[in-house]
Amino acid sequence: GNSVTQMEGPVTLSEEAFLTINCTYTATGYPSLFWYVQYPGEGLQLLLKATKADDKGSNKGFEATYRKETTSFHLEKGSVQVSDSAVYFCALSEVRNAGNMLTFGGGTRLMVKP
Amino acid sequence: DVKVTQSSRYLVKRTGEKVFLECVQDMDHENMFWYRQDPGLGLRLIYFSYDVKMKEKGDIPEGYSVSREKKERFSLILESASTNQTSMYLCASSSGQGGYQPQHFGDGTRLSIL
Repeated sequence: GNSVTQMEGPVTLSEEAFLTINCTYTATGYPSLFWYVQYPGEGLQLLLKATKADDKGSNKGFEATYRKETTSFHLEKGSVQVSDSAVYFCALSEVRNAGNMLTFGGGTRLMVKP
Repeated sequence: DVKVTQSSRYLVKRTGEKVFLECVQDMDHENMFWYRQDPGLGLRLIYFSYDVKMKEKGDIPEGYSVSREKKERFSLILESASTNQTSMYLCASSSGQGGYQPQHFGDGTRLSIL
């Protein structure tokens, strides 16, 4: 079956540091890939997505490139802020009975210190 | 913007009670989902629905049922609440048009069973 593996956290960085959160996946077919972010006490928000190989998703300074050859979708940001502190989830989609199912990674908590 | 609204942010119930969690979306989405989120276990799919009156079991359906009488509303029912159902519950919806459509999440209901 499908699976998503993320680096375990927490990841602790100083403000303005470079961020990488690794994500690799196993899937049949050609899934779409997503990064979601969850701020404390809230639900998940879509951060970015990529729907085919070599696509780059980007939003709010975050980027991730769909790498089919390495089955990866690593999240990067050049300069993190304290407000980026949150839990980040990598996910892939598959279609089942006309519904798009998501398989999530376990989440990576990011803590950014001033 | 898509709005997914869960009826309660916090809920406290007693063991054995029948508990209803309500979710409403305003984007005419075909698909709706219920997840639970627990520390160290990530998000796990309980049930999903791809059309009115249609439902499918997710990964952990035991002890739960669902109802979808109208397209915009998806209810999660705990038939006889138990303490191991204390958790954060997240509802999501998505368009049925292809696997690249993201899911949109509500803010979650933190449920405590005493």
